Amino acid sequence: AQKVTQAQTEISVVEKEDVTLDCVYETRDTTYYLFWYKQPPSGELVFLIRRNSFDEQNEISGRYSWNFQKSTSSFNFTITASQVVDSAVYFCALSDEIQGGSEKLVFGKGMKLTVNP
Amino acid sequence: DGGITQSPKYLFRKEGQNVTLSCEQNLNHDAMYWYRQDPGQGLRLIYYSQIVNDFQKGDIAEGYSVSREKKESFPLTVTSAQKNPTAFYLCASSLDRVDEQYFGPGTRLTVT
Repeated sequence: AQKVTQAQTEISVVEKEDVTLDCVYETRDTTYYLFWYKQPPSGELVFLIRRNSFDEQNEISGRYSWNFQKSTSSFNFTITASQVVDSAVYFCALSDEIQGGSEKLVFGKGMKLTVNP
Repeated sequence: DGGITQSPKYLFRKEGQNVTLSCEQNLNHDAMYWYRQDPGQGLRLIYYSQIVNDFQKGDIAEGYSVSREKKESFPLTVTSAQKNPTAFYLCASSLDRVDEQYFGPGTRLTVT
């Protein structure tokens, strides 16, 4: 069965520290997608990245970077030089094919990041 | 501006009453989803719809019902049969089956 594990439930750092959020997944599919979402205190989930299982290149977007390693079934997310605005709950998610060729997302339980000034 | 609206943001109901949560999108997305989020938990899929007039049960559909009469709208009814309805409900949509999902601001439902 599809499963996403975010082992860390809560992390607290001081501004400007780097922080890595771990995500480990289990899937029966050979083709799948991985996602990261951010949920600020307002509650709305904000899409950060989607990664195809065939593309193992790391990605960098500003202070954010993602490390996808198929060999260890991990898709870790690093925030460099963290800022207070990065404080949020971060979810890792995995696509799961359902009936009729549809897809749903299987979410991890989330990791609450607090960045202190 | 394109996006997803959910209303109301906070909703209070007495036990035994049905309640309908609104979800509207103007992104021209085909697929729409309803998730439930409980404290310290990830999101769990309640119902999804890939196309107008068609919808499917997700992982936790018991006690919920939906309709998809228009592409833009996917309302969720929490019925009195739902044993633990108090939760944060999020609606999402996506252009296609494997695209990223865009989320609405959520409705926090409290049933007492």
